Amino acid sequence: TQLLEQSPQFLSIQEGENLTVYCNSSSVFSSLQWYRQEPGEGPVLLVTVVTGGEVKKLKRLTFQFGDARKDSSLHITAAQPGDTGLYLCAGPTAGSYQLTFGKGTKLSVIP
Amino acid sequence: GAGVSQSPSNKVTEKGKDVELRCDPISGHTALYWYRQSLGQGLEFLIYFQGNSAPDKSGLPSDRFSAERTGGSVSTLTIQRTQQEDSAVYLCASSSLGLNTGELFFGEGSRLTVL
Repeated sequence: TQLLEQSPQFLSIQEGENLTVYCNSSSVFSSLQWYRQEPGEGPVLLVTVVTGGEVKKLKRLTFQFGDARKDSSLHITAAQPGDTGLYLCAGPTAGSYQLTFGKGTKLSVIP
Repeated sequence: GAGVSQSPSNKVTEKGKDVELRCDPISGHTALYWYRQSLGQGLEFLIYFQGNSAPDKSGLPSDRFSAERTGGSVSTLTIQRTQQEDSAVYLCASSSLGLNTGELFFGEGSRLTVL
């Protein structure tokens, strides 16, 4: 079974601070996706990383895929209250069409 | 609308009753997924439909759960004889990439509460 473990589970920071959240597995994934979910809504895709070592930037968000394609990180610079939400990583399950999701990191950015 | 539509948004039922949850995917999307999200948990895969192929039911937790997709479009998830542990948000998603795992577009979910 391919599992994705996310850390930390909860994170509360002040506006303007930087943060990094992690997504780790003992299994290799062909790609990893990051989604953000706001209360009462479904998850929305932020980025897909495909190549080991790949770095993608989306405004203040920087995503990195590990060289061995077993882990990924999301770094947010100068966090804003609008960044508040549940951040989920997901990867395709080998041999099926499922996406395996981690349990997520719940981020609160305090004004 | 242009997005994935789910109904009802909220459902409160008594233990032992049957419930039906509906999902209307984005037009033209051939892949449709159902996931369950319990409090404090990630998304748990339930079932996957792709075109006219047999669905992947490997995530359904018990035989009380079933789903169908009519005409390759609308899907219904049915839970028979509901139990309190079935309380969760049921999320539907659709995708256009079929056999390749691409972006999933999620609905807002149906929150089920079993009393």
